[in-house]
Amino acid sequence: GDSVTQMEGPVTLSEEAFLTINCTYTATGYPSLFWYVQYPGEGLQLLLKATKADDKGSNKGFEATYRKETTSFHLEKGSVQVSDSAVYFCALILLGGSEKLVFGKGTKLTVNP
Amino acid sequence: GAGVSQSPSNKVTEKGKDVELRCDPISGHTALYWYRQRLGQGLEFLIYFQGNSAPDKSGLPSDRFSAERTGESVSTLTIQRTQQEDSAVYLCASSLEDAGEQYFGPGTRLTVT
Repeated sequence: GDSVTQMEGPVTLSEEAFLTINCTYTATGYPSLFWYVQYPGEGLQLLLKATKADDKGSNKGFEATYRKETTSFHLEKGSVQVSDSAVYFCALILLGGSEKLVFGKGTKLTVNP
Repeated sequence: GAGVSQSPSNKVTEKGKDVELRCDPISGHTALYWYRQRLGQGLEFLIYFQGNSAPDKSGLPSDRFSAERTGESVSTLTIQRTQQEDSAVYLCASSLEDAGEQYFGPGTRLTVT
């Protein structure tokens, strides 16, 4: 079945460090890909998305590129801030199939000053 | 405008009792989803509504779980004869259309003692 695998956490970085959170997927069709973020004490929010190969999603300094050849959607940010501390979830949805989001297990990021 | 709301925010119940969890989606959103997040796990899909119909119930873990939606608005997730393994955060999401961006509520944390 469809699945998402993302790097295990937790990840701890210093402020202004470079961030990469790896995400790969398996899908029977052509999915749309998402990164969701859950800040402490808050609900899940969409961070960015990409709907076709080579699309780059970006928001708040975060970027991820839809790589069909490697079935990947890695999240990157050039300089993290303390306020980026959160749990990040990679997810896919299969257009034309079931409308559910399939999530990875989440990666907890802590950024220290 | 108002986002997705869920109630209660926290529920502690004894094993064997029934519980009802409520979701109020964003007004006008036709699609509604229930997910479950167990400790240390990703989000698991439970059920999807389009209007008041549930075309995909494939994620409901057992016949103790049921859900309904009325007036193309409020949805209730009912868990009968709760078990300790039902302890989790139950998240509701809504979207304006199928496979559109899903907006999540803050969740209901259910603890079965």
